[in-house]
Amino acid sequence: DAKTTQPPSMDCAEGRAANLPCNHSTISGNEYVYWYRQIHSQGPQYIIHGLKNNETNEMASLIITEDRKSSTLILPHATLRDTAVYYCIVRVGMNYGGSQGNLIFGKGTKLSVKP
Amino acid sequence: KAGVTQTPRYLIKTRGQQVTLSCSPISGHRSVSWYQQTPGQGLQFLFEYFSETQRNKGNFPGRFSGRQFSNSRSEMNVSTLELGDSALYLCASSLRSQNTGELFFGEGSRLTVL
Repeated sequence: DAKTTQPPSMDCAEGRAANLPCNHSTISGNEYVYWYRQIHSQGPQYIIHGLKNNETNEMASLIITEDRKSSTLILPHATLRDTAVYYCIVRVGMNYGGSQGNLIFGKGTKLSVKP
Repeated sequence: KAGVTQTPRYLIKTRGQQVTLSCSPISGHRSVSWYQQTPGQGLQFLFEYFSETQRNKGNFPGRFSGRQFSNSRSEMNVSTLELGDSALYLCASSLRSQNTGELFFGEGSRLTVL
């Protein structure tokens, strides 16, 4: 079973920030938080990942709470093309002997960006 | 550079038949993983290959098998097809040496079993 809990759906107005929450209360010290998204009929796309520090890249920001039991993915200026299912995944890092290719996907959050 | 290529994109089979799906990873990527996606079960891990060896296997029956070739291309095979095998089969490749855990997915092969 997935180790994360996400709301099943969220709406966001175009141009506004989309904040997608994820609970991972049983996360271990050697587990990273990953975010992927899947746009309809396409394969999942990697967004960002982090261990305990906040991370930012060209796509999004990841905010991880100090106790690491929850995180938030932030899309700063959502567009219609960001409409997708967003998956929050926790997994053991490769540097801790984790598997590269085995991701446990939950049901994710269906984000609908509306004009 | 070219992304992960999966063939065929769509196929229709009947119960009892077998099917082979192909995946060409991104150039330089040596790790290939396969996933099954259905509306009911979501995305589920099938197996992972690296250096022509299966490294991990998900909880699927023995009818599901795979292999990887020396050029890192991979195939998966499903024998004695059942209606429940209708799904989108996704392949993902990665640079095993990097610790980012980033998987690059193809667009999938959509299998319909009648």
